[in-house]
Amino acid sequence: GAVVSQHPSWVICKSGTSVKIECRSLDFQATTMFWYRQFPKQSLMLMATSNEGSKATYEQGVEKDKFLINHASLTLSTLTVTSAHPEDSSFYICSARDPRGGQYGEQFFGPGTRLTVL
Amino acid sequence: SQQGEEDPQALSIQEGENATMNCSYKTSINNLQWYRQNSGRGLVHLILIRSNEREKHSGRLRVTLDTSKKSSSLLITASRAADTASYFCATDTSTGNQFYFGTGTSLTVIP
Repeated sequence: GAVVSQHPSWVICKSGTSVKIECRSLDFQATTMFWYRQFPKQSLMLMATSNEGSKATYEQGVEKDKFLINHASLTLSTLTVTSAHPEDSSFYICSARDPRGGQYGEQFFGPGTRLTVL
Repeated sequence: SQQGEEDPQALSIQEGENATMNCSYKTSINNLQWYRQNSGRGLVHLILIRSNEREKHSGRLRVTLDTSKKSSSLLITASRAADTASYFCATDTSTGNQFYFGTGTSLTVIP
C-alpha cells in the first residue's frame, strides 16, 4: 500500500515554544490530508482536514490559531503547535487519501508523532 | 461530536476463542473501515466495507455492515495472543470529506 511518513517521531519541547510536525505522502500525491490527535488510551480525534492550496478545515473546538496547518504541496502537510503547553502533549497522527483509490479510497496513516511539552 | 461508539470498551478472551466488536455511527457513510493499533504505535488498516456491502471477509476477519441501524461488527475468529491490540472503526462520511474514528475496543487475548 501507499506510504505516509511523519517527522519527527518524537519531540520534547518547553512550554511556550512552537513545534512543527511534517506529514509526507511518499509515493502518491494527496490533495487532502487529515490531522488527528490521540490521548493515552483514547481514540483518534479528527482535528482538521488539510487541503492543498487552500485553508484547512478545522473541527469544532479545535483552535485554528493554535494548530496551524499548511498544505504546501501535494505531498506535504505541516501541523505547527504554537505556544505549546503541557496539555498539548499527545500523539499526533496524519493520514492521506490515495486518489488512485477514488474519492473514498483507503486512507493511509503516518506512524504518528509523540509530542511531550514540559 | 461525529465520533462513533464501539462496544465493548474492553474485551478479554482465551486464545482460540472468537472476538466480536461492535461499532455504531451517526451519519450517512460511504464506507466503514476497521483499524488495529498496538499500544503506542501507528494504525494498521484491516478491512474496508462499502455502504452497499453487507458482509466482507479477510482471513480470520469478518465484517458486517447494517446501514439501516448504522452499525458494523468485526469478528476475529480463532484468536491469537498476537491479536491483542486496540481496534477502531472509522467512517468515511458521505456528506463531506471527513473521516471519524469510533471510541475503540481494547482486546486482550490470553495465551
